[in-house]
Amino acid sequence: KQEVTQIPAALSVPEGENLVLNCSFTDSAIYNLQWFRQDPGKGLTSLLLIQSSQREQTSGRLNASLDKSSGRSTLYIAASQPGDSATYLCAASGNTPLVFGKGTRLSVIA
Amino acid sequence: DAGITQSPRYKITETGRQVTLMCHQTWSHSYMFWYRQDLGHGLRLIYYSAAADITDKGEVPDGYVVSRSKTENFPLTLESATRSQTSVYFCASGRERYGNTIYFGEGSWLTVV
Repeated sequence: KQEVTQIPAALSVPEGENLVLNCSFTDSAIYNLQWFRQDPGKGLTSLLLIQSSQREQTSGRLNASLDKSSGRSTLYIAASQPGDSATYLCAASGNTPLVFGKGTRLSVIA
Repeated sequence: DAGITQSPRYKITETGRQVTLMCHQTWSHSYMFWYRQDLGHGLRLIYYSAAADITDKGEVPDGYVVSRSKTENFPLTLESATRSQTSVYFCASGRERYGNTIYFGEGSWLTVV
């Protein structure tokens, strides 16, 4: 059974700092890994999707990497802004539909 | 505007009542999903559907019923609501089971008293 873990559960950083969010998964037989953002009281918004054959994806200030062999993915946020404050979730898709981690709650302090 | 919509957004019901949460998508996506989100558990899959009239259980299906008579609709029914079903319910859709982004609705906040 796939299990997805995200560390840390919460993170507070000053504006402008570069930061890394971590995601690990137990079953390396994944088809893709996705990163989502969730604002309070809202649904999830897809940020990046990495296919199992890819090593990384970039969108603006966001870069996600995938290392299937070690069961890890990271989301790198450059030059963080207060508007980046949200919960970030990773999810792995394999023999079952997306399995989610519990998220990292990010606060960027101005 | 095209997208995925859930209704009702907020609902309070009593223990033992039947409740149906509606989900509608305008993309003609084949796959649709129902997740529940609870503090301490994160998002857990309840049921999903690969096409009209094809549904399958997820991680936590007990106490829930789904149907999919039309591609665009995927209602979730709590046959006899219990307090443990108090949660935020998210519907999602995607073109494929693998390889593509899935898109989430805004959520339905359900409280069972």
